[in-house]
Amino acid sequence: KAGVTQTPRYLIKTRGQQVTLSCSPISGHRSVSWYQQTPGQGLQFLFEYFSETQRNKGNFPGRFSGRQFSNSRSEMNVSTLELGDSALYLCASSEPSTPTSTDTQYFGPGTRLTVL
Amino acid sequence: QKEVEQNSGPLSVPEGAIASLNCTYSDRVSQSFFWYRQYSGKSPELIMSIYSNGDKEDGRFTAQLNKASQYVSLLIRDSQPSDSATYLCAVRVNTGFQKLVFGTGTRLLVSP
Repeated sequence: KAGVTQTPRYLIKTRGQQVTLSCSPISGHRSVSWYQQTPGQGLQFLFEYFSETQRNKGNFPGRFSGRQFSNSRSEMNVSTLELGDSALYLCASSEPSTPTSTDTQYFGPGTRLTVL
Repeated sequence: QKEVEQNSGPLSVPEGAIASLNCTYSDRVSQSFFWYRQYSGKSPELIMSIYSNGDKEDGRFTAQLNKASQYVSLLIRDSQPSDSATYLCAVRVNTGFQKLVFGTGTRLLVSP
């Protein structure tokens, strides 16, 4: 099976702009999670989508949002970009999950966002 | 107290030695534990998952879980220079569905 794909791989934006990142999960995977990775904070959970519904959200401001489509592809959007949003944004997919499942998350290559 | 704690390292071992990476977590009811390897500039790659107390072996890698002590470790036998990377411990918290909480990672350096 093809792995998780993310586009674009690299992005440069200026403060105040907005950005949309895309993620296509592994075929058959319906759960998509997003993470932000920075040198200072490490990997931090942003949100998770399953069947087009956001099921869980991390501690990020409302400028960070996402959605999932019926084919399980997901997008995340960051509005009014700040310098501190510069990071590697990672998407991970997993098979259909339940609260007690032990499904494993597989990461995509990430999108490197630089905010100038 | 951080939810998942790891020593940031670097942990330096000679080629052929055993590398021991440790991780502690705070959520007593966590059930799923993962080790990911991340090379510089790359995304995390799953090495092992472990759900039950005890050891789980996969090739040169052994994961060990002790839920009573809230401790999970990863042993790498016959370490190779290609094992040099940052190793991330991740815990699936019980309150969420697919939310993983990551440690800050331990940087491993294997010298030839």
